[in-house]
Amino acid sequence: GQSLEQPSEVTAVEGAIVQINCTYQTSGFYGLSWYQQHDGGAPTFLSYNALDGLEETGRFSSFLSRSDSYGYLLLQELQMKDSASYFCAVRGQGGKLIFGQGTELSVKP
Amino acid sequence: EADIYQTPRYLVIGTGKKITLECSQTMGHDKMYWYQQDPGMELHLIHYSYGVNSTEKGDLSSESTVSRIRTEHFPLTLESARPSHTSQYLCASSEFWGDEQFFGPGTRLTVL
Repeated sequence: GQSLEQPSEVTAVEGAIVQINCTYQTSGFYGLSWYQQHDGGAPTFLSYNALDGLEETGRFSSFLSRSDSYGYLLLQELQMKDSASYFCAVRGQGGKLIFGQGTELSVKP
Repeated sequence: EADIYQTPRYLVIGTGKKITLECSQTMGHDKMYWYQQDPGMELHLIHYSYGVNSTEKGDLSSESTVSRIRTEHFPLTLESARPSHTSQYLCASSEFWGDEQFFGPGTRLTVL
């Protein structure tokens, strides 16, 4: 079967750094993506890792270790607007995305 | 401006009604998807399409059907709505498999 695990919620303060982990089990693996979703709105793409290592895009970075079936999203210099749900998603066989249950991030002043 | 649209945004209907949720994209993407998402939960893929005249069922069993007659249009139909169909339905498109998916604003469906 296929499954992804990520923490259900994380709380941090403005200006801090937070890491959201994602572990996965899939029958085929072609990459790990991260999406942000504000309060039931449309998910928006943040990053995609096909190879091991760190990808940086502004305040957000994403890491992948294929040997450990593990990745994380790192958010730096947290802002109130970063409060949202963050989903990891695995690209499996057939190219379909399998989403994790999401991590609700609350940023406090 | 390239975008992806869904109508209606909100729909409240009675049990047994037939409904069609509309999804259109102006990006020329071949790949399109329908997801179902309950509040605070993950997205479940219910249908996807490789291109015109191609449709496949996703990982979550759904009583809905889809069609893909034009590249830009991917409507979802429920022949007889039931309260268990109450959920948010999100449409998405991408240029390639596994590529960045662009999501529409969603349709919040309530079946009474």
